[in-house]
Amino acid sequence: GDSVTQMEGPVTLSEEAFLTINCTYTATGYPSLFWYVQYPGEGLQLLLKATKADDKGSNKGFEATYRKETTSFHLEKGSVQVSDSAVYFCALINGNQFYFGTGTSLTVIP
Amino acid sequence: DGGITQSPKYLFRKEGQNVTLSCEQNLNHDAMYWYRQDPGQGLRLIYYSQIVNDFQKGDIAEGYSVSREKKESFPLTVTSAQKNPTAFYLCASSIVPSNYGYTFGSGTRLTVV
Repeated sequence: GDSVTQMEGPVTLSEEAFLTINCTYTATGYPSLFWYVQYPGEGLQLLLKATKADDKGSNKGFEATYRKETTSFHLEKGSVQVSDSAVYFCALINGNQFYFGTGTSLTVIP
Repeated sequence: DGGITQSPKYLFRKEGQNVTLSCEQNLNHDAMYWYRQDPGQGLRLIYYSQIVNDFQKGDIAEGYSVSREKKESFPLTVTSAQKNPTAFYLCASSIVPSNYGYTFGSGTRLTVV
């Protein structure tokens, strides 16, 4: 069946460091791919999405490119801030089924 | 502003009691979902509904019940049959088909005391 695998955390970075959180997926057909962010004690917020191969989603300095050849959707940010500390979830939708990764916790220290 | 409202934010329940979590949306979305999140874990689907008066079990429906009498509302009841109900509960909604992703509420933290 369809699934999403993302790198395990926790990840700890210094402010202004480069961030990569790896996400790979298994799916039949043509899924849409998402990154969600969850701040402590809150629900999930959509960070960015891509609906077809080679699309790049971007928001708030975060980017991810839908790579069908490597079945990946890695999240990147060039310079993280303390306010980026959160849990990040990679997800895919195929048909009406939504599949989440297990989440990667990011802590950014000043 | 359109969105999803979950209430209450914190809920305490005694063992053996049923408790109902509220979820209301004004996004005119057809589909609604309930997820459970345990510390350090991903999301697990409890129930979902794609149309009024119809709902489907998710991966962990045992010990939970739902109703969908109105498009805007999808309350979740945690029954006394749920063995380990302490968790963070998230409600979400989407259009159908849900290619544009889900919109989530801010969650309800349920603690059994």
